Amino acid sequence: AQTVTQSQPEMSVQEAETVTLSCTYDTSESDYYLFWYKQPPSRQMILVIRQEAYKQQNATENRFSVNFQKAAKSFSLKISDSQLGDAAMYFCAYRSAWRNTDKLIFGTGTRLQVFP
Amino acid sequence: NAGVTQTPKFQVLKTGQSMTLQCAQDMNHEYMSWYRQDPGMGLRLIHYSVGAGITDQGEVPNGYNVSRSTTEDFPLRLLSAAPSQTSVYFCASTHRGRGYEQYFGPGTRLTVT
Repeated sequence: AQTVTQSQPEMSVQEAETVTLSCTYDTSESDYYLFWYKQPPSRQMILVIRQEAYKQQNATENRFSVNFQKAAKSFSLKISDSQLGDAAMYFCAYRSAWRNTDKLIFGTGTRLQVFP
Repeated sequence: NAGVTQTPKFQVLKTGQSMTLQCAQDMNHEYMSWYRQDPGMGLRLIHYSVGAGITDQGEVPNGYNVSRSTTEDFPLRLLSAAPSQTSVYFCASTHRGRGYEQYFGPGTRLTVT
């Protein structure tokens, strides 16, 4: 069975600085998707960034980028130029590429605090 | 588009009562799922559906039933509520064409006393 581990329950960063959130996963599959979701106090789940395992290039979305290390099964999220609105819970998630499933496996989350 | 909608937003039940959490999506997504979120445990999959008439169990299915008679609707039924089912429940639908991106509803906070 696949597992996702986020070993940092809490992180903090100064506004305008850069922070990296860690995520590791375990799977025997070769084709899968990885996601980072943000959950602000409103509790709405918002997709931040997505990575397809077959793509070697790391995904980027504006100030958000990932460091995807397939062999090490590591998928970290880097937030550049942090803003107060980035404060939230961040969840790493894994999904098999097999089309007949909709199982998204989440880590336990990292709470990010942003200080002015 | 309204996206994924869930009703109610809040609910209090007594132990043993039954209820149905409603979920609907207007994006014509084939896949839909139900999760529960408990403190310190992230989101855990309860049941999912890959199309009308097709459902399957997730990680924590006990105590919950689902059915999928239409593409749009995916209700979650609690047959006999227990305090252990106190949680926040999220419904989601998945866009296969966008790398299986999941769109989440706003959540339902359920308390069982």
